[in-house]
Amino acid sequence: EVQLVESGGGLVHPGGSLRLSCAASGFTVSSTYMNWVRQAPGKGLEWVSIIYAAGPTYYAASVKGRFTISRDHSRNTLYLQMNSLRPEDTAIYYCASAGGSYTFFNSWGLGTLVTVSS
Amino acid sequence: QSALTQPASVSGSPGQSITISCTGTSSDVGGYNYVSWYQQHPGKAPKLMIYDVNYRPSGVSNRFSGSKSGNTASLTISGLQAEDEADYYCSSFTITSTVIFGGGTKLTVL
Repeated sequence: EVQLVESGGGLVHPGGSLRLSCAASGFTVSSTYMNWVRQAPGKGLEWVSIIYAAGPTYYAASVKGRFTISRDHSRNTLYLQMNSLRPEDTAIYYCASAGGSYTFFNSWGLGTLVTVSS
Repeated sequence: QSALTQPASVSGSPGQSITISCTGTSSDVGGYNYVSWYQQHPGKAPKLMIYDVNYRPSGVSNRFSGSKSGNTASLTISGLQAEDEADYYCSSFTITSTVIFGGGTKLTVL
């Protein structure tokens, strides 16, 4: 059974950094396309980043240059390093695995809440 | 890049059919057959309902169907049930190899 469990969220001051983790089971994170998607309180979904099985990465314009997606094959874990955090980055962050055409998200974690506030 | 355009809300009575639209551009919805739809109940993670415009994942009711014409995709739910009441989001692959979501539609079952 595929399972994704996010961790690492919390309260951080503007300008600060945080690293999110997503532990996977039931499949290998390095063998598929893995994503981060976020949802601000009371708002809609926003795609954040993807890492391809072969390694290329892509980012939403709103986080490019500040966030870095990566993975650890030995730990079967996906990461999101978030730097220069802003209040508008406050959201629940979900990791999601991509299926088939690698353009849709077929498995989701429960999310971890990041709050950026002074 | 702006979010895909969805109606903020739709409603229907049990047993009826409803359709939610999702409008983008030729750089996303219109350019690829990579539109997907997600259902999200309050406090829960999203759930994939439709992928690649009109394919249903295993376990999703055949009351859910998807289609696309030009730059607009649609999700149709037939035989509405109380459990269908949720937020629905469309998403599409884009010309920049990113993914974009719609703003979301709140479905109310009357």
